Amino acid sequence: GAVVSQHPSWVICKSGTSVKIECRSLDFQATTMFWYRQFPKQSLMLMATSNEGSKATYEQGVEKDKFLINHASLTLSTLTVTSAHPEDSSFYICSAPLRLGRETQYFGPGTRLLVL
Amino acid sequence: DQQVKQNSPSLSVQEGRISILNCDYTNSMFDYFLWYKKYPAEGPTFLISISSIKDKNEDGRFTVFLNKSAKHLSLHIVPSQPGDSAVYFCAAGRGSSGSARQLTFGSGTQLTVLP
Repeated sequence: GAVVSQHPSWVICKSGTSVKIECRSLDFQATTMFWYRQFPKQSLMLMATSNEGSKATYEQGVEKDKFLINHASLTLSTLTVTSAHPEDSSFYICSAPLRLGRETQYFGPGTRLLVL
Repeated sequence: DQQVKQNSPSLSVQEGRISILNCDYTNSMFDYFLWYKKYPAEGPTFLISISSIKDKNEDGRFTVFLNKSAKHLSLHIVPSQPGDSAVYFCAAGRGSSGSARQLTFGSGTQLTVLP
């Protein structure tokens, strides 16, 4: 099956620092990837749609200047949490559809961010 | 406004019996539905999906039923196994053909299968 990886799996950082999370499609090309976050005991909330070669599309309420997304290649999207604060502590997950028009999305293992 | 709802936060079932997880949605534009299984600190794993043009899809022990008039779908697992214990999310998708679809997730149901 399709595999999506994320790196790192765990991040602990001080408040005010920036953190970069990578999402890679390992055996397929993904022109579109999605970034989600999940708070404890809550659902996955879509943050943004990452588009290769163009700007990301952010969901309402998500600050684009705080959550920078770069989709530099057909297999890599990065999410940078800038000037992280404790309220940014969450579980961040990316996903990618196997092919455009295919509905099934494959998820990465997630990145746990803890901001002290 | 929750467009996809899973009203039961938890469900316990005896091993070998049927597990039925329910999901309701409000947006009639959704035309594709999926069920994902998730363990703590891991990404969701795809289980089964159904298009709005169907009312049933079966894959091994997993069957998804869709009732469009009621805007309701359910996941049946039979027979249930202890390894099925996890959080189950239903998700709904919409989008134009040829483009990647955004998914809206329910809040999840913790299934516990008792040995």
